[in-house]
Amino acid sequence: QQQVKQSPQSLIVQKGGISIINCAYENTAFDYFPWYQQFPGKGPALLIAIRPDVSEKKEGRFTISFNKSAKQFSLHIMDSQPGDSATYFCAASTTGRRALTFGSGTRLQVQP
Amino acid sequence: DAGITQSPRYKITETGRQVTLMCHQTWSHSYMFWYRQDLGHGLRLIYYSAAADITDKGEVPDGYVVSRSKTENFPLTLESATRSQTSVYFCASTHPSTGELFFGEGSRLTVL
Repeated sequence: QQQVKQSPQSLIVQKGGISIINCAYENTAFDYFPWYQQFPGKGPALLIAIRPDVSEKKEGRFTISFNKSAKQFSLHIMDSQPGDSATYFCAASTTGRRALTFGSGTRLQVQP
Repeated sequence: DAGITQSPRYKITETGRQVTLMCHQTWSHSYMFWYRQDLGHGLRLIYYSAAADITDKGEVPDGYVVSRSKTENFPLTLESATRSQTSVYFCASTHPSTGELFFGEGSRLTVL
């Protein structure tokens, strides 16, 4: 049972372009939606997170857009750089249950 | 700040052998987790622990055993390893205030 579905599986973007990764969830009790970034040989690290009381959160070049009615959220990376090349995971959890449910991941390649 | 340390980083074993993956955290975080990462599946929760002597099953617990006698340690044991348990295993802990999940660098296990 995959409660968080992530797409695309892989993405190639030119330097300076916009990278967009989408996630959809099923459990309406989810109330915390983070994105994690993972470089090869390393553990995932928190990139940005949102709670459903807002529709958008921006931190530098990274923006989360959240659509509660559609049960979808997405990560936008503006002005993508080669250093952004990594695997990105969306995730979700409910208050009180600290365990995150992760999407299947998106491998992003930003070409110079 | 050592954070989360996993050992061994790499392990090759044979089917039927017992394997223990170690996880140590220096922050005294209450919640700790074990995830496995497989291509196409993202990160799947194996077991988690809310505190010393309190553990609970995650999404894929079969074939694994955990214990947590001390807050800082959370070992994962494969009692009789199978080839399907070939994976990268990540230990993580949760910051008590922010809910951010901090990951170790992973243990790559190969079962022949």
